[in-house]
Amino acid sequence: DGGITQSPKYLFRKEGQNVTLSCEQNLNHDAMYWYRQDPGQGLRLIYYSQIVNDFQKGDIAEGYSVSREKKESFPLTVTSAQKNPTAFYLCASAGSTNYGYTFGSGTRLTVV
Amino acid sequence: AQSVTQLDSQVPVFEEAPVELRCNYSSSVSVYLFWYVQYPNQGLQLLLKYLSGSTLVKGINGFEAEFNKSQTSFHLRKPSVHISDTAEYFCAVIRFEAGRRALTFGSGTRLQVQP
Repeated sequence: DGGITQSPKYLFRKEGQNVTLSCEQNLNHDAMYWYRQDPGQGLRLIYYSQIVNDFQKGDIAEGYSVSREKKESFPLTVTSAQKNPTAFYLCASAGSTNYGYTFGSGTRLTVV
Repeated sequence: AQSVTQLDSQVPVFEEAPVELRCNYSSSVSVYLFWYVQYPNQGLQLLLKYLSGSTLVKGINGFEAEFNKSQTSFHLRKPSVHISDTAEYFCAVIRFEAGRRALTFGSGTRLQVQP
């Protein structure tokens, strides 16, 4: 079945460490997105990529980095520069010819 | 500027009662509108979307929404809710700017269905 896979589901990080969240899709979608979700704030866009080897900052990119070397993959690195990384992270993808966005099941990151 | 406003952070309702979740959007954004549902610790599932055409949009699980251009609203309704409808609901709009096309979300409404 086509879809988006995020891993791991739960992730614990010590302060000062970088961590990478995985997002893989087999929908042949060109565009991929990373959102951060905090209680009462909805989802906020971190980074997005409209095509392979290209990506753009969203609304809250500071302390995060991404890469898009393959169409299927859009990993997100949460760096030590992110001051408050504890959150639920959602990855999404979308085709270029319609407005159907598909979401992964999320990764919950906790800083300990 | 806020593109999407969900007016209620929580909506308690009794089972089998009707419900309306309110959403208003900024007139400066596109009118591609969406409602998503999120169950605890899960991703988002599309309920329905409005891109063009009929202003009354029917979605999954008995939900529907009406696009009202004059009031810049896209309220979600269900005539009779079930316990299983308890979840968080997000209204979203597509923003087109500087070559970017991405969903922008409201802050969410938690629907609590009580027996």
